[in-house]
Amino acid sequence: GQQLNQSPQSMFIQEGEDVSMNCTSSSIFNTWLWYKQDPGEGPVLLIALYKAGELTSNGRLTAQFGITRKDSFLNISASIPSDVGIYFCAGQLGLRGSQGNLIFGKGTKLSVKP
Amino acid sequence: ETGVTQTPRHLVMGMTNKKSLKCEQHLGHNAMYWYKQSAKKPLELMFVYSLEERVENNSVPSRFSPECPNSSHLFLHLHTLQPEDSALYLCASSRRGGTTEAFFGQGTRLTVV
Repeated sequence: GQQLNQSPQSMFIQEGEDVSMNCTSSSIFNTWLWYKQDPGEGPVLLIALYKAGELTSNGRLTAQFGITRKDSFLNISASIPSDVGIYFCAGQLGLRGSQGNLIFGKGTKLSVKP
Repeated sequence: ETGVTQTPRHLVMGMTNKKSLKCEQHLGHNAMYWYKQSAKKPLELMFVYSLEERVENNSVPSRFSPECPNSSHLFLHLHTLQPEDSALYLCASSRRGGTTEAFFGQGTRLTVV
């Protein structure tokens, strides 16, 4: 089946540092999504990307849809303690609004040292 | 308040029990989903309902039985589960039939003993 490789699996950073994580696949996706999941909660959508090369920001978060359509990255600038959590990428093979299912990466667990 | 509410938040059940998970969405969406989240594994899509019709069933064992009586409510009926079914079960909804921009509930932490 389809797989997404998300890296790194986990990371510890100093508060104030920038963070970068990415997802890659052997398949071409038409949509990339980034979610954050806090302990005991469901995933919350952070950023949605629909076009190759698209660069989108949401506050301190920036995500890009790779030109090859096979990858995406998420950057967090000037990290703060509340950035702690698990970040998931998700790709969709079908057109937006179609029945194409989301395929999720295994997540990047972010821990911040205060 | 995410707009998608799941109950109960935690459930412990024996292998011979029958229980149901409930999901309700207040977002006016017309598609709803059940996902299973196990430790160290990607989110697994279980069922998809679009306009109250089941459009996806990803080879889920029959001991899991979904029900979607209307576009706002989704149930997952459980019976004769196995310990390996212990996981976080997440409900999600979206505006259209695809899973783009799906909004998740807080999940039900299920433990089968």
